Amino acid sequence: GENVEQHPSTLSVQEGDSAVIKCTYSDSASNYFPWYKQELGKGPQLIIDIRSNVGEKKDQRIAVTLNKTAKHFSLHITETQPEDSAVYFCAASLRGNQFYFGTGTSLTVIP
Amino acid sequence: GAVVSQHPSRVICKSGTSVKIECRSLDFQATTMFWYRQFPKQSLMLMATSNEGSKATYEQGVEKDKFLINHASLTLSTLTVTSAHPEDSSFYICSARNRLGKETQYFGPGTRLLVL
Repeated sequence: GENVEQHPSTLSVQEGDSAVIKCTYSDSASNYFPWYKQELGKGPQLIIDIRSNVGEKKDQRIAVTLNKTAKHFSLHITETQPEDSAVYFCAASLRGNQFYFGTGTSLTVIP
Repeated sequence: GAVVSQHPSRVICKSGTSVKIECRSLDFQATTMFWYRQFPKQSLMLMATSNEGSKATYEQGVEKDKFLINHASLTLSTLTVTSAHPEDSSFYICSARNRLGKETQYFGPGTRLLVL
């Protein structure tokens, strides 16, 4: 089955700096890669996703890049703000069937 | 759009009782709903996949007689924790996929279960 690894497990950045979270996956057939943000005591919220036919996708301060050859994808958050502090999860999936989640990254943005 | 609700948000019960958690897709129809369990500071663990009108598919190690799942309509799935014990205390989260074929799973806000 699919195996998703996520790094780092914790990340602290100064407000205004960029944050990068990286994930690798094992199954080359996976073709859908969402990123979720989870605040304490709440359910995960989709922040951006990418499909395997695209190498990069951007939505305002958030971007995701995908390298199919290397089987890794990354989340980039620019101009970080305190409200970006949360746990971020990556996931890999084949056509939206079972999601395989990474272990999460706890991001802290220091004002 | 793509709002998923869960009820209740928190529940405390005595050991041996059963607890029902509802998951609703509010503005879309979901042919598939998923139930996850999450322990503190850990990732989401898939418990079962629920398809409308058919039996749920449980992940290995998840007792189907203990965690009863019903997906009676395109907007509602329920998870019943039967004869709950303290070790069942956890954060239960559902998600739903739009029947229009998109891959995205939209998550509910979660239900915190505490079994005394």
